[in-house]
Amino acid sequence: AQKITQTQPGMFVQEKEAVTLDCTYDTSDPSYGLFWYKQPSSGEMIFLIYQGSYDQQNATEGRYSLNFQKARKSANLVISASQLGDSAMYFCAMREAYSSASKIIFGSGTRLSIRP
Amino acid sequence: NAGVTQTPKFRVLKTGQSMTLLCAQDMNHEYMYWYRQDPGMGLRLIHYSVGEGTTAKGEVPDGYNVSRLKKQNFLLGLESAAPSQTSVYFCASSGTGATEAFFGQGTRLTVV
Repeated sequence: AQKITQTQPGMFVQEKEAVTLDCTYDTSDPSYGLFWYKQPSSGEMIFLIYQGSYDQQNATEGRYSLNFQKARKSANLVISASQLGDSAMYFCAMREAYSSASKIIFGSGTRLSIRP
Repeated sequence: NAGVTQTPKFRVLKTGQSMTLLCAQDMNHEYMYWYRQDPGMGLRLIHYSVGEGTTAKGEVPDGYNVSRLKKQNFLLGLESAAPSQTSVYFCASSGTGATEAFFGQGTRLTVV
C-alpha cells in the first residue's frame, strides 16, 4: 500500500547551516514520483522538487536537493545554506504512476524553524 | 496565470447546513483532488477524480460528496456540516504520469 512517513515533527536549525528533512515511503508500484512541498505560515502549498523512481541522479533545484535512496525507500530533502525564509512546514508526497489511480498522498510534515 | 482557483476562501457554517466548495483549473489537467488539513497535520485526501465524469474516494471521504461534470471544475459538497469538518480545504490538479500537483490557495471552513 502507498504510504509516506515523516518522523521529524519539528526541527530547529541555525541560519546558514544545511538541514536534512527525512522522508520514507512504501509502494509496490515500480514507477512513482516523489515530491517535496513547502507551506509557509501564509498557508499556500509551494512545490519545491521532484524525483522520479527511474531517475539515475538525485534531483536538485537551487538550494534544494533530494537524497534519493531507492533501496532504502527514502527521499530526504536537503536544504543548503538555510535562510530565515526557509522557516515553514515541509511535506513529502508520493504519486504512483500506475496503481492507486495516481493518488497523491502526503506525509504528516516537518516544521522547520531557522534561528538567526 | 490563474492555475487553480478555489471559491470561497473563508466560510463559517452552522452545524447541519450544507455548502459547496468550487475548484477550477485552467491547465487542462486530467486529475483533480480535494484534501483537508487539520492544525499541525498533513494533507489527507478526501476525494479525487481521474477525468471528467469520474470520482473516487480517498482516505477520509465520509461526510463529503464530489462531482466533476466539467474537466476544469471539481466540486466538494458538505450535505450536513459537522464541527469535525472544521478544517482548511485544498484543491489540487495534476497532469498524467508521476507529475506534481498544483494547489489552490485553500478554503478555511469553520463549522459552529
